[in-house]
Amino acid sequence: RKEVEQDPGPFNVPEGATVAFNCTYSNSASQSFFWYRQDCRKEPKLLMSVYSSGNEDGRFTAQLNRASQYISLLIRDSKLSDSATYLCVVNPGNQFYFGTGTSLTVIP
Amino acid sequence: NAGVTQTPKFQVLKTGQSMTLQCAQDMNHNSMYWYRQDPGMGLRLIYYSASEGTTDKGEVPNGYNVSRLNKREFSLRLESAAPSQTSVYFCASSEAHLFGEQFFGPGTRLTVL
Repeated sequence: RKEVEQDPGPFNVPEGATVAFNCTYSNSASQSFFWYRQDCRKEPKLLMSVYSSGNEDGRFTAQLNRASQYISLLIRDSKLSDSATYLCVVNPGNQFYFGTGTSLTVIP
Repeated sequence: NAGVTQTPKFQVLKTGQSMTLQCAQDMNHNSMYWYRQDPGMGLRLIYYSASEGTTDKGEVPNGYNVSRLNKREFSLRLESAAPSQTSVYFCASSEAHLFGEQFFGPGTRLTVL
């Protein structure tokens, strides 16, 4: 079983839409969680950490559900510049595991 | 402040050839990592160095060796390249092992024929 699983998409949404991605993880002992953003043919960059209480950064909200073992990312008021692949990252204690990524395209 | 740099950016090898991918960071980070990224597989950890002087295997170490040359530099060596090693290779660093943000280099696109 994979440590981290994501719906690969693609998600194609109009500008201004709200879109949500989920990511499930298999190890209940996982300790830290992140969302990274990766533009086409570029390196991943940290979007935000995910805290137990949930956290928000502008139009982005990340949440953690330990009981169901998933993390989510909500993007409100989507912009064209949000088009990218979003990677969830989980640390079960020994290393970081990356999901395969969810592709988002925001359409004018 | 360059962050994490990698050389080369692109490389084509023939099966059986060897090469070393270079990585350097100027953020005084203790931990450094080598990942490979393949379509549909996500990033997978090859080797890591939690601190200067230590290296450990990750998820997919077979066919690779690493050297933590000093605190700044962490190299990845392919001794006898195989087509299965065709991939994009990313180096990353973080302040401490398994703590906080990882900063990635721009990647090396390797093709093994």
